[in-house]
Amino acid sequence: GQQLNQSPQSMFIQEGEDVSMNCTSSSIFNTWLWYKQDPGEGPVLLIALYKAGELTSNGRLTAQFGITRKDSFLNISASIPSDVGIYFCAGRRSNFGNEKLTFGTGTRLTIIP
Amino acid sequence: KAGVTQTPRYLIKTRGQQVTLSCSPISGHRSVSWYQQTPGQGLQFLFEYFSETQRNKGNFPGRFSGRQFSNSRSEMNVSTLELGDSALYLCASSLVSGATNYGYTFGSGTRLTVV
Repeated sequence: GQQLNQSPQSMFIQEGEDVSMNCTSSSIFNTWLWYKQDPGEGPVLLIALYKAGELTSNGRLTAQFGITRKDSFLNISASIPSDVGIYFCAGRRSNFGNEKLTFGTGTRLTIIP
Repeated sequence: KAGVTQTPRYLIKTRGQQVTLSCSPISGHRSVSWYQQTPGQGLQFLFEYFSETQRNKGNFPGRFSGRQFSNSRSEMNVSTLELGDSALYLCASSLVSGATNYGYTFGSGTRLTVV
């Protein structure tokens, strides 16, 4: 099945560093979502983006909806231990009720002591 | 407000058996979607139900089926299990008003292992 291209695949950083990851698609999406998944749990929504060019923050997290509608970016500032996990982007072609989510391949974030 | 509840959390089945997984959405959410998560394929859409009707379906074989009840609870069934069906099965509930979906809340998933 289709997956969005997400990079990097994994990141090893020290506490306090900033993190950037991105997600690209060959086709247009009208909604971009960013999720975090902890081991043994389902994805939890971090940020939702609904308009091309939109920049939205949620605490230390900032995400942007690319103007081409084919990409999105997530930044985490001043990382802390609880940021460890797998981050997924997800795109949706419309906001119609039956529209599915297409997920990215994930970015695994590890904080080195 | 209770979240999305999936049962059971863990399941071990033998090849050829069938399995039924259950999902109770957030109260008031009438749309339920199912996703399969594997290391190789990532998160893949299975199907979506709204008001007891399947409105969208992913590219999975007919062995994968589902249904939704009048209280919005949903079940998915996999028949004739194969080793490759081992995965985390996630359910997401959505508040849908008119034609608009206001976002997904995922449950913790059911970890299915086929041996």
